[in-house]
Amino acid sequence: GAVVSQHPSWVICKSGTSVKIECRSLDFQATTMFWYRQFPKQSLMLMATSNEGSKATYEQGVEKDKFLINHASLTLSTLTVTSAHPEDSSFYICSARWDSNEKLFFGSGTQLSVL
Amino acid sequence: LAKTTQPISMDSYEGQEVNITCSHNNIATNDYITWYQQFPSQGPRFIIQGYKTKVTNEVASLFIPADRKSSTLSLPRVSLSDTAVYYCLVGNMNYGGSQGNLIFGKGTKLSVKP
Repeated sequence: GAVVSQHPSWVICKSGTSVKIECRSLDFQATTMFWYRQFPKQSLMLMATSNEGSKATYEQGVEKDKFLINHASLTLSTLTVTSAHPEDSSFYICSARWDSNEKLFFGSGTQLSVL
Repeated sequence: LAKTTQPISMDSYEGQEVNITCSHNNIATNDYITWYQQFPSQGPRFIIQGYKTKVTNEVASLFIPADRKSSTLSLPRVSLSDTAVYYCLVGNMNYGGSQGNLIFGKGTKLSVKP
């Protein structure tokens, strides 16, 4: 149980375009979802926290207008990287949890390459 | 946030038991200790979680001393497929906790050799 599906697994786009990444909890209702990014050989960095039906809370230094997060239902959150540039190239990972649970369940990640 | 400290890397051989210790001196009363495993180009995977004493599941054991200022992840009889980065997180997302269990440190890179 507790499966989180993330799509796409990888995406290549041109500079200036926008890219949407989907994160779905398949067998539980995710009251809270989290988005991380990870650069090569580095640890995961928390970008934002989203609760269903509420605006996302962004970590310091993360541009909310650049990384749009929508958590429209208890099973789906999306991250849109707007006007992507090469420096946005990274591995993006979502995770989800339900209330009272201290564990995080992660998606398989999305490798974004911006040319 | 409860800061965690782990060894940067560890080497082992197949069939050996591996123990990875995490220090968390300022752990709060309500904090849990959670370990995740990450393979390259994949999202982390939950391994084990505990609050005190000992927890065991089908893949690992977690030892937590009485003062809870450290914890040790024990992997019995490792294989090549256990080569990965292991992260220790400490916190509590409920009860107004510190949410330290959302913050990943550098982790421990375990290399298992044949």
